Formats: sequence, structure tokens, C-alpha cells
Amino acid sequence: ETGVTQTPRHLVMGMTNKKSLKCEQHLGHNAMYWYKQSAKKPLELMFVYSLEERVENNSVPSRFSPECPNSSHLFLHLHTLQPEDSALYLCASSTRGWVGELFFGEGSRLTVL
Amino acid sequence: AQSVTQLDSQVPVFEEAPVELRCNYSSSVSVYLFWYVQYPNQGLQLLLKYLSGSTLVKGINGFEAEFNKSQTSFHLRKPSVHISDTAEYFCAVSAETSYDKVIFGPGTSLSVIP
Repeated sequence: ETGVTQTPRHLVMGMTNKKSLKCEQHLGHNAMYWYKQSAKKPLELMFVYSLEERVENNSVPSRFSPECPNSSHLFLHLHTLQPEDSALYLCASSTRGWVGELFFGEGSRLTVL
Repeated sequence: AQSVTQLDSQVPVFEEAPVELRCNYSSSVSVYLFWYVQYPNQGLQLLLKYLSGSTLVKGINGFEAEFNKSQTSFHLRKPSVHISDTAEYFCAVSAETSYDKVIFGPGTSLSVIP
């Protein structure tokens, strides 16, 4: 138990569906992140939110839409995805100033048919 | 921009043998360095980190790493591995000027053989 909870753990969706991934942290952190983990590839940093403001957006396609309503919750809204978007999506949180110590959730395994 | 190379994608090692997982980084500015571990079906967990000071850093589960600035390396070592160390290991880097942006290497899969 890392204090970062992701739901759902597994998601299968068609290319025309709309779904959302949810992340919740119980650690009192003020920064949250989405990473994409694909087979045989390094983790890709997608988005960074610090104090609920997006501070990083690594050229992620617009079919991925993040939302951070408060410092404890982070969402990733998905629509019209492609099969190559199938991956493990990891949420992480940290405290700004605590260098590099990210706390990860267990991930949401996404399969796009 | 920073980048991380992990030369070994898979490392098999016998139980109780020593292991070294290699990591090299590239950066034009000073960096912070990290090793994370991912056990099957779990998220990543921080093993150790180098911020400054002593170049030999000790982490959890008996792991240690040594920062070598001249060789831009941060290799991870353990003198005697256990079956439970079987996992994916990721080296990561962040720049001092943007420490919230942690860049990960491709990972090394460590398999401990009984």
C-alpha cells in the first residue's frame, strides 16, 4: 500500500469509447503525475500537476485530457483512442521540494481494441 | 534535456551471487539520480537517490549505488541477491533546475535463479 490508489486496475475500451482513469493520493502531497508505461519502452512522462496547475505537458495527443480538481485527485480522460495507446498508465504523487521521490500507484492497464 | 541509458535489458543471476545493474546518463546541467524498482503487477518504488555529498548511496533491501560524475554513471549493486529481488529496475534522472520532471531509463529485468 503506497498511499496512491488507481482505478480501474484494468480497462478494455473500443476506439470510439470515452472513459476515465482515476488516481487518488492519501499522502498529503501537492504534485501529481501521469506516466505511460509501454512494453520495451522507457516510462513516458505525460503530465505534471503542481498545486493543481498543469506545469508539464509532454506533447501528449489531445485524445488524452487530464484533470486535477484538487491536490488529492487526478483524472485522465480518454476518448477516441488508438490501439497503440494500450499500455499501463501510472499515477504518481510527490511533495514539491522532496526531490525525485515519487510515490506510484499500481497502475491502470488499458487495452484499446 | 536529460536522458538515461540502461545497457542491460535482462540480467539473470544466481541466488546469493552479487549483481551490478548499469546506468549511464546524459545531461548538460547538474542532475539528481535515482533507482526505482517495480515488482510484478505493482507500481514503482524508490530504492535510493543521489542528491549531493557522498558518491556512495545506500538504499533499501541492501542495495547501493555509486555516482561517478566523470563517467556519468550511477550503477546499482547488491552483494548477495535473493529470489525476492526479481523485479524490473529503473534508473532515473532529474535536472536540478526542474527536479519535478523525472526521466526514466528503459529498465533492467533482474531474474534471480534458485
